[in-house]
Amino acid sequence: QKEVEQNSGPLSVPEGAIASLNCTYSDRGSQSFFWYRQYSGKSPELIMFIYSNGDKEDGRFTAQLNKASQYVSLLIRDSQPSDSATYLCAVNKAGGFKTIFGAGTRLFVKA
Amino acid sequence: GAVVSQHPSWVICKSGTSVKIECRSLDFQATTMFWYRQFPKQSLMLMATSNEGSKATYEQGVEKDKFLINHASLTLSTLTVTSAHPEDSSFYICSARGSGSGSYNEQFFGPGTRLTVL
Repeated sequence: QKEVEQNSGPLSVPEGAIASLNCTYSDRGSQSFFWYRQYSGKSPELIMFIYSNGDKEDGRFTAQLNKASQYVSLLIRDSQPSDSATYLCAVNKAGGFKTIFGAGTRLFVKA
Repeated sequence: GAVVSQHPSWVICKSGTSVKIECRSLDFQATTMFWYRQFPKQSLMLMATSNEGSKATYEQGVEKDKFLINHASLTLSTLTVTSAHPEDSSFYICSARGSGSGSYNEQFFGPGTRLTVL
């Protein structure tokens, strides 16, 4: 079992729809959770982080964390073609030192 | 967010030469820096973790004598690819993490360096 698992996709949604990206992790003691966006040929950029159970909203993005289920998700509302990218889920393991990245989910938003 | 720079952004070199890549945190002190490699259409692969003033910790399968890492200050880490070969051609990305109050150990990535070895 991978430490951080994501569906590789591609996930295709029409413009204006909600894109839902999911991630599961294996270390129950994990403390902080991050979503990064990576455009083709570019380096990752941090979108959001979350550390408490529940939802955290920032503009069109909502991160959701459920530690009991070891599940973290990212919702993108009103998806735009410019949101088309690979989204990386990252998890800080217990102790906080090491961050494990998922392989990423490719998202396509169709105009 | 915090800014991390990398230099050069791209480099082409001949097989057998060495290439140095610099990673700088511009507006914060990076107690820890990470070096990643990413091949086309593949995920990030962590190569090594470095803490300022101490030896880098390399991931399994990464040759420490080939990929030399120096984290000389809280704002600068360098990766030197020694005796580069065509199979070393890749996208090398650094990231930096500070330890100030309010930090949740998020990493901030540099823009990456695309290395092509002929």
